[in-house]
Amino acid sequence: AQKVTQAQTEISVVEKEDVTLDCVYETRDTTYYLFWYKQPPSGELVFLIRRNSFDEQNEISGRYSWNFQKSTSSFNFTITASQVVDSAVYFCALSEADRGSTLGRLYFGRGTQLTVWP
Amino acid sequence: DTGVSQNPRHKITKRGQNVTFRCDPISEHNRLYWYRQTLGQGPEFLTYFQNEAQLEKSRLLSDRFSAERPKGSFSTLEIQRTEQGDSAMYLCASSSTGEGSYNEQFFGPGTRLTVL
Repeated sequence: AQKVTQAQTEISVVEKEDVTLDCVYETRDTTYYLFWYKQPPSGELVFLIRRNSFDEQNEISGRYSWNFQKSTSSFNFTITASQVVDSAVYFCALSEADRGSTLGRLYFGRGTQLTVWP
Repeated sequence: DTGVSQNPRHKITKRGQNVTFRCDPISEHNRLYWYRQTLGQGPEFLTYFQNEAQLEKSRLLSDRFSAERPKGSFSTLEIQRTEQGDSAMYLCASSSTGEGSYNEQFFGPGTRLTVL
């Protein structure tokens, strides 16, 4: 079973629109970490944010904001006033604490291709 | 530049040949990871090291694949007897287990393998 589901395969918006990328995760661990990465056309994955399972505070960083809700196992990402440079594939990922505090592999979703048109 | 570096960036080989990729992590990072990414998919975990110890291997890592990190610094990933299904982007990432670190993994540019 997929541990991370990104149901939106592709999203297209026009510049300055707000857009929300959905992420639903599945884990039995009580301690885990959630991440968002951006993969622009150049191909290199860029780390955006990490969220701890014990901290449900939402976070805002410039035009980016993240909404973490344990009740619905969701970690959604919103870009406000989108720009052409935001065009990329965005990945949500999960890291579980197995056998104590050892965190290892990331489980990635399939990604959402965001295209922002001028 | 203190980011993760990978060499080569592109590799084209014929089926049945062996290939080796290299990854140099961020210098202060003690963990190093290998992932594989195919078109339209998210990265899939292959294996990871903490210092020189290989701590976990995915079932994706068949007997034809071997990874090493002999001195706890750079790592190599070798694929023997390549098959067309091995064609993918091979990504390397590194992270720190130091205080205040929560497994944020920083990725290199990847090595794109094409098996003809």
